[in-house]
Amino acid sequence: SQTIHQWPATLVQPVGSPLSLECTVEGTSNPNLYWYRQAAGRGLQLLFYSVGIGQISSEVPQNLSASRPQDRQFILSSKKLLLSDSGFYLCAWRGHRQYNSGNTIYFGEGSWLTVV
Amino acid sequence: AQSVTQLGSHVSVSEGALVLLRCNYSSSVPPYLFWYVQYPNQGLQLLLKYTSAATLVKGINGFEAEFKKSETSFHLTKPSAHMSDAAEYFCAVRLGGSQGNLIFGKGTKLSVKP
Repeated sequence: SQTIHQWPATLVQPVGSPLSLECTVEGTSNPNLYWYRQAAGRGLQLLFYSVGIGQISSEVPQNLSASRPQDRQFILSSKKLLLSDSGFYLCAWRGHRQYNSGNTIYFGEGSWLTVV
Repeated sequence: AQSVTQLGSHVSVSEGALVLLRCNYSSSVPPYLFWYVQYPNQGLQLLLKYTSAATLVKGINGFEAEFKKSETSFHLTKPSAHMSDAAEYFCAVRLGGSQGNLIFGKGTKLSVKP
């Protein structure tokens, strides 16, 4: 079965410091990968998605970047965090259409980021 | 463009009462619709999904949802609320194309009173 792992679960970082959140998926190949952010009272916002290694699409202009160095690894980064980057970050994956999982996006457990 | 509207950011019911969480969608093509549940400090868990098969969809934990094209709705119901149902619920519609992103509603927080 497929699983998704995301870490760290909780992070407190000072303004101006770098960020790296990692996500890996097991049990599938060539998944679509996503990073969402959930800010208080603002629902879920798609930040980045990737359909393959090295292929990153950004949905909103921001202080963050994403990379996909391996098929099942997705990394969210920042060189200098802002206070407004605080939030709950969720990694997610979707399989291929020919499989039953192809219609559904599955989420990791999330990472709480507090920028102080 | 596709969008999702969840009516009511907060719903409170008594234990044993009917749960009704409302979701309306806007889509120019036949939609794929989803309900997710989020417990405090956790990720999102899929409750159920509509993918153009049966219009009444049964999910986990006794929840179900009915796709009504004429009303562009996909409301989530459960006949009898349990304390453990207290969580935030998100309705979502999936975009087409290779990326297949989800567009989420703003969520409805369900409280269950003893």
